[in-house]
Amino acid sequence: LAKTTQPISMDSYEGQEVNITCSHNNIATNDYITWYQQFPSQGPRFIIQGYKTKVTNEVASLFIPADRKSSTLSLPRVSLSDTAVYYCLVGDEDTGFQKLVFGTGTRLLVSP
Amino acid sequence: GAGVSQSPSNKVTEKGKDVELRCDPISGHTALYWYRQSLGQGLEFLIYFQGNSAPDKSGLPSDRFSAERTGGSVSTLTIQRTQQEDSAVYLCASSFLGVGTGVSGNTIYFGEGSWLTVV
Repeated sequence: LAKTTQPISMDSYEGQEVNITCSHNNIATNDYITWYQQFPSQGPRFIIQGYKTKVTNEVASLFIPADRKSSTLSLPRVSLSDTAVYYCLVGDEDTGFQKLVFGTGTRLLVSP
Repeated sequence: GAGVSQSPSNKVTEKGKDVELRCDPISGHTALYWYRQSLGQGLEFLIYFQGNSAPDKSGLPSDRFSAERTGGSVSTLTIQRTQQEDSAVYLCASSFLGVGTGVSGNTIYFGEGSWLTVV
């Protein structure tokens, strides 16, 4: 079973850049890496998705090295409203893509 | 619909009773997923449907849990003889294509969940 690993928690201050790394050693060859944001009492919300190298959208960047065994979500200039849990999601090589294995989640706390 | 819709949003039930949770995926989405999230915990995969078929049911916690999907659309997660440890939020998600298709943009969208409390 593929396993993903993320830091349990991170602290930051408003205006700083935050980088959260997810390790996924057994990612499926053809699958993408997706990151989600979850606020309390809400379902996870899509942030960004990528396959390799770098992807950027209006809220974040995603860096993926050539071996694809990890990925880093970068949040530029965080604000208090970015306090949430962030999950990475990858396919599961061992079970032929049938399962979607979420990381443990990283609880980001942004302080003034 | 515009997003993944789940009902009921909240359910309090007595131990031993059966409950049904409903998920209405985004129109046109062929894949549907159920997850469970206990308070303060991560997301636990339960089951995945491609069309009406569930290729892998091994994520279901026990034989008290079952799920079905009809017409390639609505799905129902049924928990029989509920126990207190079943208390959690049950999240449904859908995507246009199934997992592992290697297609960019096959994003999985989540509903807001059904909050189940077993007393």
